[in-house]
Amino acid sequence: IVLTQSPGTLSLSPGERATLSCRASQSVSNNYLAWYQQKPGQAPRVLISGASSRAAGIPDRFSGSGSGTDFTLTISRLEPEDFAVYYCQQYGSLWTFGQGTKVEIK
Amino acid sequence: EVQLVESGGGLMQPGGSLRLSCAASGFTVSTNYMTWVRQAPGKGLEWVSIIYRSGTTYYADSVKGRFTISRDTSKNMLFLQMNSLRVEDTAVYYCARAQSGNWFDPWGQGALVTVSS
Repeated sequence: IVLTQSPGTLSLSPGERATLSCRASQSVSNNYLAWYQQKPGQAPRVLISGASSRAAGIPDRFSGSGSGTDFTLTISRLEPEDFAVYYCQQYGSLWTFGQGTKVEIK
Repeated sequence: EVQLVESGGGLMQPGGSLRLSCAASGFTVSTNYMTWVRQAPGKGLEWVSIIYRSGTTYYADSVKGRFTISRDTSKNMLFLQMNSLRVEDTAVYYCARAQSGNWFDPWGQGALVTVSS
C-alpha cells in the first residue's frame, strides 16, 4: 500500500489549525493507520494509532480521523513545539510510511 | 523506564557487512514484536524488517536476501545483520517495538550507517 501525504509543507502561525492528509492507494484494513511526529535530530514518536486513538501523553489538540483510503491528522491550535514533520503509517498490509508533511512557522 | 539504544553504526565500503545492535530495557525483546526502520539523509521513513514473538520475520523488498533480523534472549537485544551493503543503504537505522505487530513505540535514538567508497 502506497501512502501519499499532502501538502508537502504547511506554513502556519502558532494558534492556527493544521489539517494534514494521508491518502492510501488501497483501503487500509481495519483502519490500521498511525501518525508520528518527528523533530530535527530526534526519533519519531507516535501520536495516533487505529486512525483516531491518541497515544499516551499526547495532548488533545491532536486528533485523527478517516477510514478506508482517506485519513486526516488535525492539530486544533498549533503550539510552538508542534512545528515538525509528520508521517502517516499503515500496518494493515505489511508496514509503509507516507513521505511526510512538514509543518513550518509562517 | 522503557528504552532502546542502538549501536554499531559506522562508515562501510560498498559490498561490506555490518551488524547493528539494539539494547532494550524496561521490557523483554523476545515477548514483543521488534522492528527496524531507516531514514536516508533528508528523506522519509522506510520500514526495513520485523521479527514476531514467534520468531517469524519479514523484510522490505529493498533488503530481502541481504539483511537478517535476529534477537538474543539472554542479552535482551535485537540485531540487524547487513550484508552486501549498497550506497543506497546509507541511513539512520532505528529499532522500535512494534505494538502487537502494528504501530511502533518506543523508538531508539538511531544509528548512522554510511556506505561510501
